[in-house]
Amino acid sequence: QKEVEQNSGPLSVPEGAIASLNCTYSDRGSQSFFWYRQYSGKSPELIMFIYSNGDKEDGRFTAQLNKASQYVSLLIRDSQPSDSATYLCAVIREGSSNTGKLIFGQGTTLQVKP
Amino acid sequence: NAGVTQTPKFRILKIGQSMTLQCTQDMNHNYMYWYRQDPGMGLKLIYYSVGAGITDKGEVPNGYNVSRSTTEDFPLRLELAAPSQTSVYFCASSLTGDRADQPQHFGDGTRLSIL
Repeated sequence: QKEVEQNSGPLSVPEGAIASLNCTYSDRGSQSFFWYRQYSGKSPELIMFIYSNGDKEDGRFTAQLNKASQYVSLLIRDSQPSDSATYLCAVIREGSSNTGKLIFGQGTTLQVKP
Repeated sequence: NAGVTQTPKFRILKIGQSMTLQCTQDMNHNYMYWYRQDPGMGLKLIYYSVGAGITDKGEVPNGYNVSRSTTEDFPLRLELAAPSQTSVYFCASSLTGDRADQPQHFGDGTRLSIL
């Protein structure tokens, strides 16, 4: 079992719809959770982080964390063609917080169709 | 503000050759990281450093070496290039390791092919 799992997609949504991206993790003690966006041929850029159960909103983006289910998700409201990218989920394991070592999932490719 | 700078951007090596991927940051960050990303995959940590003179292995360190003699620089060395090392390499840095609000900043990457 991979430590951080994502559906590789592609996930295709029409412009204006809500895109829902999901991630599960195996280490129950994982502490911090991140969503990175990566455009084709570019480096990852951080769009959201969350470390408490519940929802965290930032503009059109909402991160949701459920530690009991070991599940983190990213919702993108009013999806735009410019949101088309690969979204990488990353976690920091229990005991790694002083090093910042990130464990990445394989990423989900999102396609937003005009 | 340059951020994290990686050189070269592209390189083709022959099997058995050696090379050093350069990474420098101008943000006075203590923590630095090297990742590789294979096609269609996420990033895997090769080595990391929590400060000058301190380095440690990540998930996939075999075939690589690092050094950290200054805060700014964190070069990655491939001693005997193998086709399995064909990948995109990203360097990243952060001010601290334990605060989610101090995220890792990534360089633009080095695309390396071993033929």
